[in-house]
Amino acid sequence: GQNIDQPTEMTATEGAIVQINCTYQTSGFNGLFWYQQHAGEAPTFLSYNVLDGLEEKGRFSSFLSRSKGYSYLLLKELQMKDSASYLCAVSDSNYQLIWGAGTKLIIKP
Amino acid sequence: DAGITQSPRYKITETGRQVTLMCHQTWSHSYMFWYRQDLGHGLRLIYYSAAADITDKGEVPDGYVVSRSKTENFPLTLESATRSQTSVYFCASRDGTGEAYEQYFGPGTRLTVT
Repeated sequence: GQNIDQPTEMTATEGAIVQINCTYQTSGFNGLFWYQQHAGEAPTFLSYNVLDGLEEKGRFSSFLSRSKGYSYLLLKELQMKDSASYLCAVSDSNYQLIWGAGTKLIIKP
Repeated sequence: DAGITQSPRYKITETGRQVTLMCHQTWSHSYMFWYRQDLGHGLRLIYYSAAADITDKGEVPDGYVVSRSKTENFPLTLESATRSQTSVYFCASRDGTGEAYEQYFGPGTRLTVT
């Protein structure tokens, strides 16, 4: 079967760094996406990884290891506005997205 | 307005009624999707469409019907609403064929079935 696992909830402090992990088992792999979703809003695209390694985009970085079926999203210099859910999604062999349940990130002052 | 819009944003209906949720995008994206999002679950795909007049089932299609007569519109109909269909429904679109392009989401429709 297809499965995406990520922690349900994480708490971090403003100004700190947090790493959100995602492990996956899917039929085929055509890349991994990270989306951000604020409460009551639609998901918005953060990053896409298809090759192994780290992709950096400002305060956010995303890492992929295809051999381990593993990715993480790294958020630096946390701000209160980063309080949101972070969704991991894998593009399968048919280019359809398989979604994790999301990680709710709580930022404390 | 450019982008992807959904209507209505909020809907309360009774069990057994037919409900249609609308989705409209202005990018001429080939692919469109309908998802539902419930607490404790990730986004679950209901139906998707690769082009006008081409639709296919996703993970949870039972109780739903879609059509796509025009590229820009992708309505979702609940033929006889049930309480289990209370959820937040997101429409999304993306460009490209055979490529893992990002999906763009509409603002969502919060549906309550009483």
